[in-house]
Amino acid sequence: SQQGEEDPQALSIQEGENATMNCSYKTSINNLQWYRQNSGRGLVHLILIRSNEREKHSGRLRVTLDTSKKSSSLLITASRAADTASYFCATGPTNAGGTSYGKLTFGQGTILTVHP
Amino acid sequence: DGGITQSPKYLFRKEGQNVTLSCEQNLNHDAMYWYRQDPGQGLRLIYYSQIVNDFQKGDIAEGYSVSREKKESFPLTVTSAQKNPTAFYLCASSTTSQGAIYGYTFGSGTRLTVV
Repeated sequence: SQQGEEDPQALSIQEGENATMNCSYKTSINNLQWYRQNSGRGLVHLILIRSNEREKHSGRLRVTLDTSKKSSSLLITASRAADTASYFCATGPTNAGGTSYGKLTFGQGTILTVHP
Repeated sequence: DGGITQSPKYLFRKEGQNVTLSCEQNLNHDAMYWYRQDPGQGLRLIYYSQIVNDFQKGDIAEGYSVSREKKESFPLTVTSAQKNPTAFYLCASSTTSQGAIYGYTFGSGTRLTVV
């Protein structure tokens, strides 16, 4: 069963605009991760946010986590055509150290298209 | 460079045939995983292994088999019992050491088509 559900399913924006993708999940988590997938390729890990964190930044990426609402959002600022890809959230069990091992459950993804 | 290598990139299977997908990593990761991705869908877990000589079924293990004889290798066999094997298969690995928060490392995938 899918733990994470992304919203929207598809998002189309112009270069320079911000892109926001949302993820909802059903059960308690230790951390939530976001991945990117270019067409026909493997996934690339973008960022991990732990359950005791509310916000995290990495370059043009900003992730928020609201454990009370069981939801997360990924914001890409000043988007570029090269950001065109599918974005997935993933949740799963970890050990006490917050290590991301153990089976991850992925959502169905948001397809982001950035027009030049 | 460290990473995960999946081969072949494209694979064609005849009806009733078993095929094996290769996955090799040189990251010294303990855990390895196989996921299946159908068009427009998310990833579904087939099998995973957290240590050599041990593996666990995922959500859709029927019609698949794996082995983990070496830390670096986690091959997936798609058997004739898998009735709808056409999909994109992704292998991943991760560390289990304390404090590591790098997430999964994925291979580039194998696209399997039944002909």
